[in-house]
Amino acid sequence: DTGVSQDPRHKITKRGQNVTFRCDPISEHNRLYWYRQTLGQGPEFLTYFQNEAQLEKSRLLSDRFSAERPKGSFSTLEIQRTEQGDSAMYLCASSRREVKGNEQFFGPGTRLTVL
Amino acid sequence: DQQVKQNSPSLSVQEGRISILNCDYTNSMFDYFLWYKKYPAEGPTFLISISSIKDKNEDGRFTVFLNKSAKHLSLHIVPSQPGDSAVYFCAASRFNGNKLVFGAGTILRVKS
Repeated sequence: DTGVSQDPRHKITKRGQNVTFRCDPISEHNRLYWYRQTLGQGPEFLTYFQNEAQLEKSRLLSDRFSAERPKGSFSTLEIQRTEQGDSAMYLCASSRREVKGNEQFFGPGTRLTVL
Repeated sequence: DQQVKQNSPSLSVQEGRISILNCDYTNSMFDYFLWYKKYPAEGPTFLISISSIKDKNEDGRFTVFLNKSAKHLSLHIVPSQPGDSAVYFCAASRFNGNKLVFGAGTILRVKS
């Protein structure tokens, strides 16, 4: 399977705990994006990387959120001191910088439930 | 501030007929518009896109129309099939490779 993969697929945690999600993009893709989706809404942009450089962060990304892409390959998204409002589907997507039409390929997502 | 809006939460269509999904946007600086399809427990899957310099793009059963003056785009699916039943998201972006701004989605049900 050469698509975008995310791990874990599901995560249940207690309020106040830290969680970390991993995304492995399509291998030749140099851009990687994180989005968050809540029930009844479309995905909302969180941040994106070109290679290892984090080029943009949304206002949604509070100081409890941090994302890394240390070697320009896989990426991690960490949420510290989770709150119930963090419960959502976290989606990762990747693309090639030169792609025509800005097509981004999405992974299956990590569903986070904060109790 | 919802820059991309899909005002119809759901749409029901008979198999074989045309499905028309609509999307409005407010930011005239958007360069690309895309449609994604999403099944439960899966990530969104890219369907078709259109550049702001075009007014139509076609790919098999899927055609996207862009009306820049009205800031409106639509996705036509002809003929509709039961397997097309999913949530459809409209998305837009500025500059190639930039973040996508999504609408809230429209649930399409194709009845056989």
